Amino acid sequence: AQKITQTQPGMFVQEKEAVTLDCTYDTSDPSYGLFWYKQPSSGEMIFLIYQGSYDQQNATEGRYSLNFQKARKSANLVISASQLGDSAMYFCAMRGWTQKLVFGQGTRLTINP
Amino acid sequence: DGGITQSPKYLFRKEGQNVTLSCEQNLNHDAMYWYRQDPGQGLRLIYYSQIVNDFQKGDIAEGYSVSREKKESFPLTVTSAQKNPTAFYLCASSIEWGQSGTEAFFGQGTRLTVV
Repeated sequence: AQKITQTQPGMFVQEKEAVTLDCTYDTSDPSYGLFWYKQPSSGEMIFLIYQGSYDQQNATEGRYSLNFQKARKSANLVISASQLGDSAMYFCAMRGWTQKLVFGQGTRLTINP
Repeated sequence: DGGITQSPKYLFRKEGQNVTLSCEQNLNHDAMYWYRQDPGQGLRLIYYSQIVNDFQKGDIAEGYSVSREKKESFPLTVTSAQKNPTAFYLCASSIEWGQSGTEAFFGQGTRLTVV
């Protein structure tokens, strides 16, 4: 079975600081993909970053990077130089060969000016 | 423009009535998904489909039904058996995982309220 765990219900950080959102996962698939999405108050789902389980390097997309530690089954999202517009819900997700795409409970990030 | 269209955006139904939520995509994606989201909560998988005429139950399928007669369409029916149907419903699609660019694309969601 696939499972995603996000243990931080809410995070508060000052503008321009870096923030790390935690994500751990569990799966029996030999290969899989890990995703992070952002959901503003409007409800839309915005894809941020992707990491494949066999990728040798951590993924980066602009201010977003994914700290992938396969042995620890963790895929933390790092946002550098946070901005007020980063305030939103953030979801970690996983997908394997079964094509089942599962999400964690999310972390509500609030950026303070 | 390619994308996923969910309709309607808001839906009100009386208790005990079945209701069908529409999801259409023109991205030529094989895989499609339905999720339920309650306020302040994560996305819970209801059903997913890897290919036309095939679908699998997700984690909370009870009280819901789907069909996949066309690649572009994956409608979700919320039946009267669903105990607490009021929620935000999101539809998504993607290419088969294992290929590059495998992120799922989401519709704008349907907010269902049962009164």
